[in-house]
Amino acid sequence: DSGVTQTPKHLITATGQRVTLRCSPRSGDLSVYWYQQSLDQGLQFLIQYYNGEERAKGNILERFSAQQFPDLHSELNLSSLELGDSALYFCASSVQGAGANVLTFGAGSRLTVL
Amino acid sequence: TQLLEQSPQFLSIQEGENLTVYCNSSSVFSSLQWYRQEPGEGPVLLVTVVTGGEVKKLKRLTFQFGDARKDSSLHITAAQPGDTGLYLCAGVSPQAGTALIFGKGTTLSVSS
Repeated sequence: DSGVTQTPKHLITATGQRVTLRCSPRSGDLSVYWYQQSLDQGLQFLIQYYNGEERAKGNILERFSAQQFPDLHSELNLSSLELGDSALYFCASSVQGAGANVLTFGAGSRLTVL
Repeated sequence: TQLLEQSPQFLSIQEGENLTVYCNSSSVFSSLQWYRQEPGEGPVLLVTVVTGGEVKKLKRLTFQFGDARKDSSLHITAAQPGDTGLYLCAGVSPQAGTALIFGKGTTLSVSS
């Protein structure tokens, strides 16, 4: 157990729907990162939050949004889902917010869009 | 275009063989990290290399950071089935902002 908790572990939904993925960071970590992993693109950085504030943005689609709450848990919202959004979504956390931090990853949420 | 290129993409070997996987970039990195990911799990950090030319050993795994800090390699001696997994290199580059970016990885399969 890495200490980073992601729910749900598996999710199957239909195109056009909206889903929310949840992440609880490791105790003491202030920064949360979201990554998308697919076979063709590898592990792609989506967005980072540090202590409730957005810190960095990567290849995140406009249909996707995220936030970090005062208790430091984070949610990734995916809307108007398309078949191509099927992927593994990972949350990771770290103590600091910048630099080459060591990331602790959760076990991921596998999203299947039918 | 991937900022970090990993090769080979796939590697299938027998137990006891040696192997090297590579992580290359045209950009300079202040440090590079190597992670291993097993099916159904998230990546787990193996090592961080910081200084150009640095060599770090972790049991049968040897990591090297290039002198120019643009590339890194991972050498595994006498591979075992337990080494099977996806090996990812990652780093922070000013070109890509402040977040950690990953290569696509090398999928290693070691059979007994």
